[in-house]
Amino acid sequence: GQNIDQPTEMTATEGAIVQINCTYQTSGFNGLFWYQQHAGEAPTFLSYNVLDGLEEKGRFSSFLSRSKGYSYLLLKELQMKDSASYLCAASDSNYQLIWGAGTKLIIKP
Amino acid sequence: GAVVSQHPSWVICKSGTSVKIECRSLDFQATTMFWYRQFPKQSLMLMATSNEGSKATYEQGVEKDKFLINHASLTLSTLTVTSAHPEDSSFYICSANDGGGFNEQYFGPGTRLTVT
Repeated sequence: GQNIDQPTEMTATEGAIVQINCTYQTSGFNGLFWYQQHAGEAPTFLSYNVLDGLEEKGRFSSFLSRSKGYSYLLLKELQMKDSASYLCAASDSNYQLIWGAGTKLIIKP
Repeated sequence: GAVVSQHPSWVICKSGTSVKIECRSLDFQATTMFWYRQFPKQSLMLMATSNEGSKATYEQGVEKDKFLINHASLTLSTLTVTSAHPEDSSFYICSANDGGGFNEQYFGPGTRLTVT
């Protein structure tokens, strides 16, 4: 079956770095997405990886290892506004997104 | 670019009535649109996938006669919740892609439905 695993909740301190992990099992693979979702709002796109390696975009970076079925989202210089849920989604052979349950990130001052 | 709108943003209706939610791609043609439902503190649940001019493909467990989806044009899809019940109260989100690039889905702002 197809499955995405990510931690339910994480806590970090303002100004610090946090890494949110995601493992996936899909029928075929056409890339890994990370989305940010604030409470009561729709998800917004953060990153997409289809090749192994690290993609950096400002304070956010995303890593992919296809052989391990593993990705992480790295957030640096955390700000209070980064408190949100972070959704990992893998694109399968039909380009359908398989969604993880989301990781709620709590930022403390 | 790649803006998706939804209307209404919130709606309250009485049990037994029907509610229509519109999803529009404002600046691109959406080859495929997706409808999701999200209950509080839970992740997105895909309800159905629709392609312009063809019938929607519903996920297992989603009643197609209750959740009517129409994708009449490349910029508009509608979801009608028929004979709504309180358990249908949820956050309904649509997304769309243009078939290009890496198939990124662009999300609408969501519609919060409350059935009393």
